[in-house]
Amino acid sequence: AQKITQTQPGMFVQEKEAVTLDCTYDTSDQSYGLFWYKQPSSGEMIFLIYQGSYDEQNATEGRYSLNFQKARKSANLVISASQLGDSAMYFCAMREGRGSGAGSYQLTFGKGTKLSVIP
Amino acid sequence: DAGITQSPRYKITETGRQVTLMCHQTWSHSYMFWYRQDLGHGLRLIYYSAAADITDKGEVPDGYVVSRSKTENFPLTLESATRSQTSVYFCASSESSSNYGYTFGSGTRLTVV
Repeated sequence: AQKITQTQPGMFVQEKEAVTLDCTYDTSDQSYGLFWYKQPSSGEMIFLIYQGSYDEQNATEGRYSLNFQKARKSANLVISASQLGDSAMYFCAMREGRGSGAGSYQLTFGKGTKLSVIP
Repeated sequence: DAGITQSPRYKITETGRQVTLMCHQTWSHSYMFWYRQDLGHGLRLIYYSAAADITDKGEVPDGYVVSRSKTENFPLTLESATRSQTSVYFCASSESSSNYGYTFGSGTRLTVV
């Protein structure tokens, strides 16, 4: 089973509208972290937002928020007031567990969602 | 201060040749990682390292070799390149329990012909 599932290969959103990118995850760990990254056409990976499994409130960073539903194992990214510069690939990722060793710090990525913002 | 640098940015090589992708970080992060990115697969972990001289396999290690004699360097070698290794390769580093996940390099686009 995939650990991170992004079911939307591509999405379109009108400029200035909000958009939700879906992410579900699968883990048996109690402690884990969820991340979203943006990859514009230039190729670099840009960190957007982080949610820890014990965080009681949804994470927010500017126009980005993470809709964390622990029981449903979902961590959807919400982008408010979309801008043309938001057009990019978006990756959801998970880091499982704690402890020593690099294995504890692996990120497992979903396959990504390509977001296109329409003027 | 480039942070984490990958070289080369672009590489074309022939099937069967050995090629090494370089990764250098200036933060003294303990953990370093190599991923490959392919359309439809997202990013998949090739190898990772917890410290100098400590490396381990990830999800797709076959055909690759890594070494880490110094904390700041983590080269990835394709011993005998195949066309299926045509991909974009990302190096990343992380300190313990960072809430920012990784810091990524700019990537190396490798084409095997």
